[in-house]
Amino acid sequence: RKEVEQDPGPFNVPEGATVAFNCTYSNSASQSFFWYRQDCRKEPKLLMSVYSSGNEDGRFTAQLNRASQYISLLIRDSKLSDSATYLCVVNINRMEYGNKLVFGAGTILRVKS
Amino acid sequence: GAVVSQHPSWVICKSGTSVKIECRSLDFQATTMFWYRQFPKQSLMLMATSNEGSKATYEQGVEKDKFLINHASLTLSTLTVTSAHPEDSSFYICSARAIRDRGYEQYFGPGTRLTVT
Repeated sequence: RKEVEQDPGPFNVPEGATVAFNCTYSNSASQSFFWYRQDCRKEPKLLMSVYSSGNEDGRFTAQLNRASQYISLLIRDSKLSDSATYLCVVNINRMEYGNKLVFGAGTILRVKS
Repeated sequence: GAVVSQHPSWVICKSGTSVKIECRSLDFQATTMFWYRQFPKQSLMLMATSNEGSKATYEQGVEKDKFLINHASLTLSTLTVTSAHPEDSSFYICSARAIRDRGYEQYFGPGTRLTVT
């Protein structure tokens, strides 16, 4: 079983749509959680950290359920520029081996006009 | 957000040669930097953790003698791929860790696309 699992998509949605991505993680030692976006042939860019209380940044809302080991990202009013691959990322504390970010394989979003 | 640069952005080399990739944090100091590799349509995979002033910690299955890491200062880490072979062709991405109010955040360099012929 992969440490971080995401639906690969692609999600094809019209402009203005609301779309939700889900992610599950298997390691209960996971300490912190993030969503990154990655454009084709580019590096990942931090979209937002995910907190237990849930957090919102403009059109983006992230939720974390530690009991279910589940993370979500909601994008409202999708724009063409939102088209990218969204990576669910989990920071695992490995004690003496140091923290490690584990990446999901990503969910592809395509927003069409 | 913080800025991390990488150089070169792409490189083509012949099999058997060595390639050095630089990673710099431009507007913050990073005691810890990370090196990742990403093959097409796959996740980023952590290769090693680079700590300023000490030896790097390599992930299982990554050859430390092949992928030499030096973290000489708080803003610079280098990865040298020694005796590169075609199977080393990949997208190499570095990341630097910044300390924020609510904990750590990692920022990624733009990546180096290595092609070994």
